[in-house]
Amino acid sequence: AQSVTQPDIHITVSEGASLELRCNYSYGATPYLFWYVQSPGQGLQLLLKYFSGDTLVQGIKGFEAEFKRSQSSFNLRKPSVHWSDAAEYFCAVGAGSSASKIIFGSGTRLSIRP
Amino acid sequence: GAGVSQSPSNKVTEKGKDVELRCDPISGHTALYWYRQSLGQGLEFLIYFQGNSAPDKSGLPSDRFSAERTGGSVSTLTIQRTQQEDSAVYLCASSLAGTGRINEQFFGPGTRLTVL
Repeated sequence: AQSVTQPDIHITVSEGASLELRCNYSYGATPYLFWYVQSPGQGLQLLLKYFSGDTLVQGIKGFEAEFKRSQSSFNLRKPSVHWSDAAEYFCAVGAGSSASKIIFGSGTRLSIRP
Repeated sequence: GAGVSQSPSNKVTEKGKDVELRCDPISGHTALYWYRQSLGQGLEFLIYFQGNSAPDKSGLPSDRFSAERTGGSVSTLTIQRTQQEDSAVYLCASSLAGTGRINEQFFGPGTRLTVL
C-alpha cells in the first residue's frame, strides 16, 4: 500500500538558517510527489511537484526538493528561511491513475527562531 | 470563482445531528476531492469525484458518511448521526485532471466541524 512518512513532527530553525524537511514514500511504481504548505488559518498551497524528468524540482517561495529513487525520498529544502515560512508542511504521493488519490504524510510543523 | 470555496467555514453541532458541508470547486475543474484533517493526524482521503460519479469512495470512514456531486460542480458531504470523533477540518479540493492527465489539486479553506 502507498504511504508517506514524515519523521519529524516539529522542527525549529533560526531565521536565515538552511532547512531540510524529510519525506519518505512507499509506492510500487514511479510516484507523483508533492509538497504542500499550510499556514495558520490558510488552506493548503502547493509548493512543488515531481512527475518525471529532472529529479531536482524548484518550487515557489524559494523551496526545492530532490527525488531520490534509491532512498525513496523527496526531501524539501530551502537555503535560508524567513519568519514567514513558519507553517505546517505536508509531503504527499499521488496514487492511482493520474494521481487521482493523494496520500498525505502526517506533516512537519516548522517554527522559526528570531 | 477564483478558488475553491467551502461553506460553512465553521460548524458546531450536537452529537447525533446530521450535518451537510458544501464545496464549490474552481469553475471547469472536473475532479473533486474530500479530505479530513484531524488534530495531530494529518490529512485523510475520503472520496474522489470525476464529474458526478465517484470512482473512489474508499476513504469514507463509515456508512454515516456520504457525498454527492451534481451538475459536475457543487459537492455536498453529509455526515449522519454525528459523533464526537467526527470533529475535524473537512477540506475540499478540485483539479482539471481527467483520464491520462496528471493531477494538481487546489484546496479550499476547509470547514471546521465541532461535535459537542
